[in-house]
Amino acid sequence: RKEVEQDPGPFNVPEGATVAFNCTYSNSASQSFFWYRQDCRKEPKLLMSVYSSGNEDGRFTAQLNRASQYISLLIRDSKLSDSATYLCVVKANDYKLSFGAGTTVTVRA
Amino acid sequence: EAGVTQFPSHSVIEKGQTVTLRCDPISGHDNLYWYRRVMGKEIKFLLHFVKESKQDESGMPNNRFLAERTGGTYSTLKVQPAELEDSGVYFCASSRAPAGVREQFFGPGTRLTVL
Repeated sequence: RKEVEQDPGPFNVPEGATVAFNCTYSNSASQSFFWYRQDCRKEPKLLMSVYSSGNEDGRFTAQLNRASQYISLLIRDSKLSDSATYLCVVKANDYKLSFGAGTTVTVRA
Repeated sequence: EAGVTQFPSHSVIEKGQTVTLRCDPISGHDNLYWYRRVMGKEIKFLLHFVKESKQDESGMPNNRFLAERTGGTYSTLKVQPAELEDSGVYFCASSRAPAGVREQFFGPGTRLTVL
């Protein structure tokens, strides 16, 4: 079983739409959770950390459900610049990041 | 602040040859990590250095891979001899200490193709 499973998409949405997707993780001892963004042929960059109480960063909202081992990301009012691959990332110990395969989002004009 | 840099950006070699990838972390970052993404798969952890010491190399695929970080600055990852399945993108990342609470910053990656 993969450590982190994601719906690969693609999600193809118009500008201004809301898009949401999620991932599940297998290690119940995981301590930290993140969403990274990766543009085509670029490096992954941290989008936001995910906290148990849920958190927002502008148009982005992340939720964590530890009981179900489930993490979600919601993007409101999508912009063309939001087109990217979104990586669900889990840290089980102090340093080792476990990545999902990514969810592709394309925002069209 | 300069980011993590990696060299080369692309490498095409034949099966059986040797390739050495280099990573220069952000200045002052004691922690250095190597990850790789093979075709169609997720990014996977290879190993972690704290300064010049290997803390965890549990993700290294086999003994054809050798990572070093002499002097605790830049790191090299050597693949010898390269096999077809080694093709992929090799990412380096770095972070300040302590590793547990610090963001890992990724370099642009080296795209390795083994023919």
